[in-house]
Amino acid sequence: AQKITQTQPGMFVQEKEAVTLDCTYDTSDPSYGLFWYKQPSSGEMIFLIYQGSYDQQNATEGRYSLNFQKARKSANLVISASQLGDSAMYFCAMREAGTNAGKSTFGDGTTLTVKP
Amino acid sequence: SAVISQKPSRDICQRGTSLTIQCQVDSQVTMMFWYRQQPGQSLTLIATANQGSEATYESGFVIDKFPISRPNLTFSTLTVSNMSPEDSSIYLCSVVSGLHEKLFFGSGTQLSVL
Repeated sequence: AQKITQTQPGMFVQEKEAVTLDCTYDTSDPSYGLFWYKQPSSGEMIFLIYQGSYDQQNATEGRYSLNFQKARKSANLVISASQLGDSAMYFCAMREAGTNAGKSTFGDGTTLTVKP
Repeated sequence: SAVISQKPSRDICQRGTSLTIQCQVDSQVTMMFWYRQQPGQSLTLIATANQGSEATYESGFVIDKFPISRPNLTFSTLTVSNMSPEDSSIYLCSVVSGLHEKLFFGSGTQLSVL
């Protein structure tokens, strides 16, 4: 069973508007970490934001915030005030406690296009 | 944070040949990780490279096809051997660093096999 599901292959947003990228996950481990990464067309992967399963508050990093709903097993990324440079592929990833620190499971990604 | 230099950034190769990808980290790390991203798809972990021991391969990946070297704590190579068009992918090396042990990635190697 897929552990990370990103149901939106592609999303469009108008510049300066907010956008939410969906991510649901599946795990029986009570301790895990959730990550979002950005991959521009250049191919590099850039870390955006982290949410721990025991964190009481939703994570925020600048224009990025994470809408973490533990009971629903969802960790949606919210990008506020979209910029043209936000156009990229976005990946949600999870790492369960006790696993190889580098062994994250990635979703299939969402391609975000910001329109001027 | 960690800064990772990866090369080549891209290459076009002939079927049956091999390509070695190099990855240099700006700090000493115990483990380095190699991921593959096939066209339009997600990232899949190929193997974990440990200094001083054999790499650990994930299901579906074998040492004969993807030999890895890890001569020291800042450097690793991944070789894609006897390439076929199905090996056309982006290959990324990564390390875990910093708060929350997040992954830092090299800039990737875009490989096309003709």
